[in-house]
Amino acid sequence: QQQVKQSPQSLIVQKGGISIINCAYENTAFDYFPWYQQFPGKGPALLIAIRPDVSEKKEGRFTISFNKSAKQFSLHIMDSQPGDSATYFCAARGGYNKLIFGAGTRLAVHP
Amino acid sequence: GAVVSQHPSRVICKSGTSVKIECRSLDFQATTMFWYRQFPKQSLMLMATSNEGSKATYEQGVEKDKFLINHASLTLSTLTVTSAHPEDSSFYICSAREGPGNTIYFGEGSWLTVV
Repeated sequence: QQQVKQSPQSLIVQKGGISIINCAYENTAFDYFPWYQQFPGKGPALLIAIRPDVSEKKEGRFTISFNKSAKQFSLHIMDSQPGDSATYFCAARGGYNKLIFGAGTRLAVHP
Repeated sequence: GAVVSQHPSRVICKSGTSVKIECRSLDFQATTMFWYRQFPKQSLMLMATSNEGSKATYEQGVEKDKFLINHASLTLSTLTVTSAHPEDSSFYICSAREGPGNTIYFGEGSWLTVV
């Protein structure tokens, strides 16, 4: 019940295309859903986050869509660029403010 | 955003020795810090949660006597890997938050190689 399932494991997108990464959770007590971007050898950096009372949040080229009834949320990266090539992690915040991470998606944006 | 700094970024130590990794919140007071471990091409695994001035809470399966965590001030937490072995080689990442419900910020991580 504490898991966050993330898919796909890897994703290849052409420059200018849309990258879509999906996550699903079971625990309805999760109250905060961030997405992190991680480059090789670096710590994860907060990209965008959403709370369950909001269905969509957009920041620049990044959009989170949140479906509370389905217990799913997704990250959309519009106009994907080679510089977006990284590993993306979804997460959910549970008890004691602990973040539960998805398995990660390795995104490669080809020129 | 807020800055969390880790030191050292890379460390190599001999098997059987201990190594300390520091995590500092540079522009805010972190009431809670978290320590993660990440193996190559895998996700982050939470090791422990530390609250300033109290004992750390370890996740199931994490040896508290091996991974000593100290959170002596509102801006500093340390992770000491005691009697390190090659299997302890990993990427260790800390994160910190200012208060309940606040955004969690991550450090840059520390690569530990035990030879």
